[in-house]
Amino acid sequence: KAGVTQTPRYLIKTRGQQVTLSCSPISGHRSVSWYQQTPGQGLQFLFEYFSETQRNKGNFPGRFSGRQFSNSRSEMNVSTLELGDSALYLCASSRSGDGANVLTFGAGSRLTVL
Amino acid sequence: AQSVTQPDIHITVSEGASLELRCNYSYGATPYLFWYVQSPGQGLQLLLKYFSGDTLVQGIKGFEAEFKRSQSSFNLRKPSVHWSDAAEYFCAVGVTNAGKSTFGDGTTLTVKP
Repeated sequence: KAGVTQTPRYLIKTRGQQVTLSCSPISGHRSVSWYQQTPGQGLQFLFEYFSETQRNKGNFPGRFSGRQFSNSRSEMNVSTLELGDSALYLCASSRSGDGANVLTFGAGSRLTVL
Repeated sequence: AQSVTQPDIHITVSEGASLELRCNYSYGATPYLFWYVQSPGQGLQLLLKYFSGDTLVQGIKGFEAEFKRSQSSFNLRKPSVHWSDAAEYFCAVGVTNAGKSTFGDGTTLTVKP
């Protein structure tokens, strides 16, 4: 079966712009989580969506937002980009989002903010 | 809240040597424990998981991990490392009904020829 697909894989933006990243989960998976990975902070949880509802949220400013569609596909948006937003953004899907679920990760979207 | 500590930021081993990557977790009850591996520029791939039962779990690529409740540890081991094992390894803990996993900071493994 197809894995988790993230688009775009690479993108470059300038400060102040906004960006939208997309994630298509594995078929049948209803939970989508987003993580930010940077060399200094490691893997940090952004938020998790299940059945189009945000169930959990990490400690990120309101510039980071997301949504999930009825087909479980998810998008995350970062507005007013800052240099520190440069990171690899990873999406992971699981069947129900329960902590016991294995997360299946996409290859990530690498964002560079200039 | 749960937390995960991977004490070793970087480990170098020779090809063919044994490997042990350390992981300590903090959580009040028995957690769900995972090890993931990340190759450069890629997402994370599950190596193995522990939910309950036998405390020694086998994973893919010849890896195994042992859950030790008394030490709050879940160390990853491999008897003979291959050059293709060079990657970053993450230990994670999942809590039921929490909807997310908490990851350690990762251990980068370098394999010397």
